[in-house]
Amino acid sequence: GESVGLHLPTLSVQEGDNSIINCAYSNSASDYFIWYKQESGKGPQFIIDIRSNMDKRQGQRVTVLLNKTVKHLSLQIAATQPGDSAVYFCAENPTGTASKLTFGTGTRLQVTL
Amino acid sequence: EPEVTQTPSHQVTQMGQEVILRCVPISNHLYFYWYRQILGQKVEFLVSFYNNEISEKSEIFDDQFSVERPDGSNFTLKIRSTKLEDSAMYFCASSRTDPWAQYFGPGTRLTVL
Repeated sequence: GESVGLHLPTLSVQEGDNSIINCAYSNSASDYFIWYKQESGKGPQFIIDIRSNMDKRQGQRVTVLLNKTVKHLSLQIAATQPGDSAVYFCAENPTGTASKLTFGTGTRLQVTL
Repeated sequence: EPEVTQTPSHQVTQMGQEVILRCVPISNHLYFYWYRQILGQKVEFLVSFYNNEISEKSEIFDDQFSVERPDGSNFTLKIRSTKLEDSAMYFCASSRTDPWAQYFGPGTRLTVL
């Protein structure tokens, strides 16, 4: 389950700092969004989701912001830890498709000590 | 914490052979999905399944693919006659309600020679 070889945008963050990972989505009618974390050799791991009737949602150490005007989604990770190093994907559910998730290309987060 | 499991973790097959990839979704989930990720590319939706029927499928999911829920716990993806381009990681996912919060398994790496 790796995106090895894909030229992913990479974000390097020092341990303890906050991380902000951005995603531009394509379908203005999408009504549901998820952030996934994918570690090397593993499947996507659910982090947090948000519906289009919200602009912010908080979880444990993570916050998702949704700006529908510019079709932009961001994931904020507070006090980034080495275990946060992974590829992060946003996924959207285009309205009109009952179940399909469309994934973005991902951002690789590297946490430096 | 309940999780989606998949077997085998790695399957090697000859072109033209049939393969069956197996998944055990989370026990109280009602919706089941297959995705694939070709090395270096995005996660792509293949098919969703609910109430013993396909809910939605992508253009990738052609006549060579089929899904089945043979009993109360397993969910399988069959590829009848594998092609080289079927080589990928195949992920099973499940959700309690559609399409929210899809939880992914660790994947099966399929290598077609």
